[in-house]
Amino acid sequence: EAQVTQNPRYLITVTGKKLTVTCSQNMNHEYMSWYRQDPGLGLRQIYYSMNVEVTDKGDVPEGYKVSRKEKRNFPLILESPSPNQTSLYFCASSSVPGTSGSSSYEQYFGPGTRLTVT
Amino acid sequence: AQSVTQPDIHITVSEGASLELRCNYSYGATPYLFWYVQSPGQGLQLLLKYFSGDTLVQGIKGFEAEFKRSQSSFNLRKPSVHWSDAAEYFCAVAARGTGGFKTIFGAGTRLFVKA
Repeated sequence: EAQVTQNPRYLITVTGKKLTVTCSQNMNHEYMSWYRQDPGLGLRQIYYSMNVEVTDKGDVPEGYKVSRKEKRNFPLILESPSPNQTSLYFCASSSVPGTSGSSSYEQYFGPGTRLTVT
Repeated sequence: AQSVTQPDIHITVSEGASLELRCNYSYGATPYLFWYVQSPGQGLQLLLKYFSGDTLVQGIKGFEAEFKRSQSSFNLRKPSVHWSDAAEYFCAVAARGTGGFKTIFGAGTRLFVKA
């Protein structure tokens, strides 16, 4: 089954304790992305990656790191979490126009990770 | 700067009535345009997309959307709403950034359906 998986689904942590949220996709997609969703703000892009070792900042990258060492995985790292990073996080993937017969950035989303930083 | 505006925070319609959700975008060229739906406690599911060609696109669950370049709009419509359509709807744009394509979402419109 084609899917994007995220772990953990729920996480409560304390300020300053480093954490990693994993994301994996099994669709051989080039494009992967992380978003945070906050009430009234919709989804805001944190980082995205066009392919292995190619990443770029989205609209809200401060306080986050990512890496793309393998095509299927795109972990989100919070080196020193703070309460303002309490949010619902989504990972997504898509093919890139012109590859594998794809025509657009239709994204497939993971189930979400609810993070609380106290 | 690119942006997506969904003017209506929430909309209430009666079951069986028609629906139109508004979306306006700001982007210099023709972007990739999407509508996603999020049911309570769920992830996002693609309803439909536009990137070129026919400006009226059909999606899943009986939804359609029309791209109007002159108005920078991509409004979502459905002729007859079902109770199961109650959800939050997001319009999104994929626009070229420095390292590839950024994705920008609107703030969302929450749809309530009256019996």
